Amino acid sequence: AQSVAQPEDQVNVAEGNPLTVKCTYSVSGNPYLFWYVQYPNRGLQFLLKYITGDNLVKGSYGFEAEFNKSQTSFHLKKPSALVSDSALYFCAVRDPTGTASKLTFGTGTRLQVTL
Amino acid sequence: GAGVSQSPRYKVTKRGQDVALRCDPISGHVSLYWYRQALGQGPEFLTYFNYEAQQDKSGLPNDRFSAERPEGSISTLTIQRTEQRDSAMYRCASSRLSSGGSTDTQYFGPGTRLTVL
Repeated sequence: AQSVAQPEDQVNVAEGNPLTVKCTYSVSGNPYLFWYVQYPNRGLQFLLKYITGDNLVKGSYGFEAEFNKSQTSFHLKKPSALVSDSALYFCAVRDPTGTASKLTFGTGTRLQVTL
Repeated sequence: GAGVSQSPRYKVTKRGQDVALRCDPISGHVSLYWYRQALGQGPEFLTYFNYEAQQDKSGLPNDRFSAERPEGSISTLTIQRTEQRDSAMYRCASSRLSSGGSTDTQYFGPGTRLTVL
């Protein structure tokens, strides 16, 4: 069975500093990995995904994520945080070897960026 | 250029009543997914469709839950005889291609917040 862990319930960072939101996964084959962001009263918005190829994936709003197969991790990063980045972030995994197409999500990490 | 839409956005009902939640996917998207998100948790898979065919309903918690997509576009998730434990955010997503391990991105709607009193 596939699973995702987001070990931090909340991450606090000052505006202008780099941010990292951690994600580790467990899947039987090579994973497809996704990051979504949830703003209050809005739906989940897609940020980026890793399918294959370059381990560093660039996405929306200046976010990027690094796939590390040996550590089974897919951490979300941004070089310089903005107050407007404050939101709830979800990591998700999809197992391409099975027939199921569902995404399995982590429990989410709340990012708080302060001035 | 509309995204996934869901209605109603909020639904309050009394225990024992039936509710129907609607999802209108992005135009032309073949696959449609339903998820349920409890407070403080990530979304959990309920069921998905390719066109009008329900491919996987393994996430539906019991037989009070059902879903349909009769014409391969709009989908309805129905919960019969609602219980307080059914209270949650119900999210719909769609993707462009047929699923089965594809690399497609799922795009989510705003969700329907269901409260069962």
